[in-house]
Amino acid sequence: KAGVTQTPRYLIKTRGQQVTLSCSPISGHRSVSWYQQTPGQGLQFLFEYFSETQRNKGNFPGRFSGRQFSNSRSEMNVSTLELGDSALYLCASSRQENTEAFFGQGTRLTVV
Amino acid sequence: LAKTTQPISMDSYEGQEVNITCSHNNIATNDYITWYQQFPSQGPRFIIQGYKTKVTNEVASLFIPADRKSSTLSLPRVSLSDTAVYYCLVGDEGSTLGRLYFGRGTQLTVWP
Repeated sequence: KAGVTQTPRYLIKTRGQQVTLSCSPISGHRSVSWYQQTPGQGLQFLFEYFSETQRNKGNFPGRFSGRQFSNSRSEMNVSTLELGDSALYLCASSRQENTEAFFGQGTRLTVV
Repeated sequence: LAKTTQPISMDSYEGQEVNITCSHNNIATNDYITWYQQFPSQGPRFIIQGYKTKVTNEVASLFIPADRKSSTLSLPRVSLSDTAVYYCLVGDEGSTLGRLYFGRGTQLTVWP
């Protein structure tokens, strides 16, 4: 079956702009989580959605937001981009019942 | 939220067995132990999960002592392609990734 698909794979934005990243989970998976990965901070949890509801949120400023649609696809948005937002953004999907999650390839965001 | 402690890095040579130990002193009764593998610029990939004693699959073995305060991921006969970051996570079976802490992981480097 198809894996988790993230688009776009690479993105370059300038400071102050906003960006929207997309994640299509594995068919049948209703939980989607987002992570930011940087060399300095490692893998940091952003938020988690299940059935269009945000269930958990990490310690990130309000510039980071997300949503999930009825088909389980998810988007995350970052407004007023800062240089420090440059990172690999990863999306993972899973069934609710267990912790085995499947990650996408990620979106590499570069803010200049 | 049970956090984990792992070595930052390990080195090995092709053909050797590698054991990566993870400490999770405040693991709860319902918590499972899960290991993920991550290659550069890719999302983490599930390797193995266990609750107690020993679990083995086609990729690795997971050893968990009776007190469950630590666990050891064992990779038999590693190859160059096993060079990756390995994460140990602890959480209850009902947890989705949003409630798990990835930590910094262990960078395993396999040399020829």
